[in-house]
Amino acid sequence: AQKVTQAQTEISVVEKEDVTLDCVYETRDTTYYLFWYKQPPSGELVFLIRRNSFDEQNEISGRYSWNFQKSTSSFNFTITASQVVDSAVYFCALSGAYNFNKFYFGSGTKLNVKP
Amino acid sequence: DTEVTQTPKHLVMGMTNKKSLKCEQHMGHRAMYWYKQKAKKPPELMFVYSYEKLSINESVPSRFSPECPNSSLLNLHLHALQPEDSALYLCASSQPGTSSVSEQFFGPGTRLTVL
Repeated sequence: AQKVTQAQTEISVVEKEDVTLDCVYETRDTTYYLFWYKQPPSGELVFLIRRNSFDEQNEISGRYSWNFQKSTSSFNFTITASQVVDSAVYFCALSGAYNFNKFYFGSGTKLNVKP
Repeated sequence: DTEVTQTPKHLVMGMTNKKSLKCEQHMGHRAMYWYKQKAKKPPELMFVYSYEKLSINESVPSRFSPECPNSSLLNLHLHALQPEDSALYLCASSQPGTSSVSEQFFGPGTRLTVL
């Protein structure tokens, strides 16, 4: 069975603080993919990153960075020097080898960045 | 052009009405998806079309009827809906997953209210 857990329901930070959003996943597949999406209040889900199970390299894109650790089944997302525009709901998702077209989403973490 | 468009943006309908939601993409993707998202919840997969054929139906009630007229268009026909069907309906597209997974690109959604 595939499952994604985002234990943090809501996080509030003050602008310029760093914040880490946690994502823990469960799967029996050896080949799987992990994703992060951002959903601002407007509603559209914005793709942020895709990572496959064979690539454990961490990734940095501007103020965003991702830490993938298979040993702990985690794929955490860090925003450095947060900005008000980062306020959104962030979803972690998993897709496995049984059906690549099916995404399993976590429950989401709402991030509030206050000025 | 990495855009998925959806019309209408908002829709209010009575329980006896028949309406349709439309989705269009011009990224050459051959997989298209309908999701339903209730407030403060993650998107729930409803249907997947792969190469214009229905490949996943997540036990959606028959009052929702999908249609994929061609590789760029996806419709969701609505009939005899219930108030609990009120939600944000999201369309997405991707390259179809066979040996790997591509990220899904989402449209802005249609906010549906059933009276």
